Amino acid sequence: GEDVEQSLFLSVREGDSSVINCTYTDSSSTYLYWYKQEPGAGLQLLTYIFSNMDMKQDQRLTVLLNKKDKHLSLRIADTQTGDSAIYFCAESGGGATNKLIFGTGTLLAVQP
Amino acid sequence: DAGVIQSPRHEVTEMGQEVTLRCKPISGHDYLFWYRQTMMRGLELLIYFNNNVPIDDSGMPEDRFSAKMPNASFSTLKIQPSEPRDSAVYFCASSPRLISRNYEQYFGPGTRLTVT
Repeated sequence: GEDVEQSLFLSVREGDSSVINCTYTDSSSTYLYWYKQEPGAGLQLLTYIFSNMDMKQDQRLTVLLNKKDKHLSLRIADTQTGDSAIYFCAESGGGATNKLIFGTGTLLAVQP
Repeated sequence: DAGVIQSPRHEVTEMGQEVTLRCKPISGHDYLFWYRQTMMRGLELLIYFNNNVPIDDSGMPEDRFSAKMPNASFSTLKIQPSEPRDSAVYFCASSPRLISRNYEQYFGPGTRLTVT
């Protein structure tokens, strides 16, 4: 079935790069997404990548997609304390449904 | 646009009481989703609507949960009777009409429900 997996926790120092990884199972997913959830808030769409792309860059964010291995990563350059949050990857799944399948979330802790 | 609006932001109720959560999606969005988030189970999709019609309610945990969408700008999620294990943050999200199968969803701030 559909499943999206992420590591639970990542700790980095301010100014370093963060890399959050995700694996998914549905090879028919057209889009893959990264969402950010700050404490006490809803999920905020950060970026997404079309499945026929390998990489997408948006300011400090770089998304890498390895479709063969079904592996997605989010790199945050020059990580700031304001980047501390839970990051969810999601796949669009295949078929006629338009549901998103979310991962478990990775808690990113940025140490000053 | 104000984004997805949910009310109340916090709800504390006693076991056995009825709870109604409300959501106003982004204007013009055709899809509305209800999620529940807990530490133990993560983010779970409960139900979603397309043009006010429920499409998939397979995530609704039991008959105590019901959801309605009487019009394009309003939806409710009702729990009757509530139980302590229903304590969670409930999110509403909306999504525009599908374009090239891009299913991006926009989330509200959530309702934190505590059932004592």
